[in-house]
Amino acid sequence: QSVLTQPPSVSGAPGQRVTISCTGSSSNIGAGYDVHWYQQLPGTAPKVLMYGNSNRPSGVPDRFSGSRSGTSASLAISGLRAEDEAEYYCQSYDSSLSGSVFGGGTKLTFL
Amino acid sequence: QVQLVQSGAEVRKPGASVKVSCKASGYSFTSYYMHWVRQAPGQGLEWMGIINPSGGSTSYAQKFQGRVTMTRDRSTSTVYMELSSLKSEDTAVYYCATDGALGYSYGGNWVDPWGRGTLVTVSS
Repeated sequence: QSVLTQPPSVSGAPGQRVTISCTGSSSNIGAGYDVHWYQQLPGTAPKVLMYGNSNRPSGVPDRFSGSRSGTSASLAISGLRAEDEAEYYCQSYDSSLSGSVFGGGTKLTFL
Repeated sequence: QVQLVQSGAEVRKPGASVKVSCKASGYSFTSYYMHWVRQAPGQGLEWMGIINPSGGSTSYAQKFQGRVTMTRDRSTSTVYMELSSLKSEDTAVYYCATDGALGYSYGGNWVDPWGRGTLVTVSS
């Protein structure tokens, strides 16, 4: 059971918009700790997609956007493309655990 | 460019220990903390801990306290993660990953880049 809760899967058609939620609690996201997002393609290491809630590293297209509110955060992907099919993870810090925590991951698939 | 090169796959019996290395290049080794994250087969990411390559201080996830030791060798820009009392549930790919922020890290920064991972298999 992950401290940060993500839906196991989301799906969408090419060109559509999908959102992935990441729900935490008052000891992590709700405490104001930043949320970061990672994309993991099959058989590869994760790479950062969004950091500090809504900042895109260079090279990440602006089709990806992030937000945080209360005890939750979300990652939105618009204009879905085939190469977006991957596993997505959120990450934050938890003061009760005194360490970083990841969500359980969300698999994005195409309809 | 920044590169993290990890040691090769390992096979251990239950109860044994394993030590995984991660050699950094392309940046100032002592300027960025290093994290260790593992991923069991078909499962999600699990944060194990963080080390400050400069002073050597560490912070471990509660789950691994007493079983994990992270060290570094500044002369070779290498960090190590040793996990003891291995169980079958420790079978996973172990990644090292650089903290995203320069200098001090409280452990909650983003991590990037990541090494390619080291598969550790625990089996009798």
